[in-house]
Amino acid sequence: DIQMTQSPSTLSASVGDRVTITCRASQTISTWLAWYQQKPGEAPKLLIYTASSLKTGVPSRFSGGGSGTEFTLTINSLQPDDFATYYCQQYQSSPWTFGQGTKVDIK
Amino acid sequence: QVQLVESGGGLVRPGGSLRLSCAASGFTFSDYYMSWIRQAPGKGPEWVSYINRHSTDTNYADSVKGRFTISRDNAKKSLYLQMNSLRAEDTAVYYCARGEGYCTGDSCHWGQGTLVIVSS
Repeated sequence: DIQMTQSPSTLSASVGDRVTITCRASQTISTWLAWYQQKPGEAPKLLIYTASSLKTGVPSRFSGGGSGTEFTLTINSLQPDDFATYYCQQYQSSPWTFGQGTKVDIK
Repeated sequence: QVQLVESGGGLVRPGGSLRLSCAASGFTFSDYYMSWIRQAPGKGPEWVSYINRHSTDTNYADSVKGRFTISRDNAKKSLYLQMNSLRAEDTAVYYCARGEGYCTGDSCHWGQGTLVIVSS
């Protein structure tokens, strides 16, 4: 199975900050990577797919990058609605595996 | 609009069984693969299983293989997960999702989940 490792596990930031979350795959996954946002009590919601494609309706302050084994999710100018937990997921090969999550909280 | 509504969760003893259901609406159910994804408390999501459009192909995570069975009824627009020999580590919120268990754009939809607790 492909292991996905996110860093950091927790990130404290302020409104207006630029934050970057990293996701590393245990083997190459090309750009078969998605990023999700999850708030307490809700299902994860897709933000980005194929590493850098923004889902329709997702604010442009979210961006994704990377290929192979290293990927990033960047949030420019963090907004109050962005405080949440973020997960990466690879879909290069089954089983599709997720990272352990990065919680973005208020500094 | 697309809706996926899970039901059937609850408290069950180790070794017991439970059947989850997912009622789909707002799209042509038979056109899509469907899947189950679960999330244990405080953990990241874990893909569990998928089934193809006509039930001719299924796939399972190793952690549930031989204990869980995914099925669907296209006439009823419903997805199911039969869970047998349940273990404490199966405790999680179980989500029904459109597709194979990953999202590639606007076709992505997950339900709100149903909680399964395996405890004595």
